[in-house]
Amino acid sequence: GENVEQHPSTLSVQEGDSAVIKCTYSDSASNYFPWYKQELGKRPQLIIDIRSNVGEKKDQRIAVTLNKTAKHFSLHITETQPEDSAVYFCAASTGYSTLTFGKGTMLLVSP
Amino acid sequence: ETGVTQSPTHLIKTRGQQVTLRCSSQSGHNTVSWYQQALGQGPQFIFQYYREEENGRGNFPPRFSGLQFPNYSSELNVNALELDDSALYLCASSGASGGAQGYGTQYFGPGTRLLVL
Repeated sequence: GENVEQHPSTLSVQEGDSAVIKCTYSDSASNYFPWYKQELGKRPQLIIDIRSNVGEKKDQRIAVTLNKTAKHFSLHITETQPEDSAVYFCAASTGYSTLTFGKGTMLLVSP
Repeated sequence: ETGVTQSPTHLIKTRGQQVTLRCSSQSGHNTVSWYQQALGQGPQFIFQYYREEENGRGNFPPRFSGLQFPNYSSELNVNALELDDSALYLCASSGASGGAQGYGTQYFGPGTRLLVL
């Protein structure tokens, strides 16, 4: 089955800096890659997703890039703010809507 | 916030008991997936229901079972509870067909936190 590796497990940045979280996947059939943000005690919330026919997608301060050849994808957050502090999960799907998640990255943005 | 709701929010059971968790999907969604999230881990896929039929299952034993109703709401049942079943149980709804062509975006409910003593 699919295996998703996520790095780093924790990331500390200063407010205004950029943050990058990287994920690799094992199944070349995976074609959908969402990113979720989970605040303490709350549900995972979709923040951005990308499909395999696209190499990059951007939404305001958040962007995701996908390299199908290398089987990795990354989340980029620019101009980080304290409210960006949360756990971020990447996931991969082979098209049956079943998501395989990474283990998460705890992002801490210090004022 | 999504339109996905779950009940109850918290539950305490003892080892060997049975539990039923409930999920109401977002309006217009016909697919519900269940995940188990242990503390400090990413969600792990349990199974998915599409139009009242199981449509995929993760690496969970048969004592984890489910149902989907005609209104697309869903239940997760766990029999013979074990201590390791303590976790946050999340359901997610999507509008995908559930078939080979589907990769519908999944929206999560708030979860049910289960503690097994």
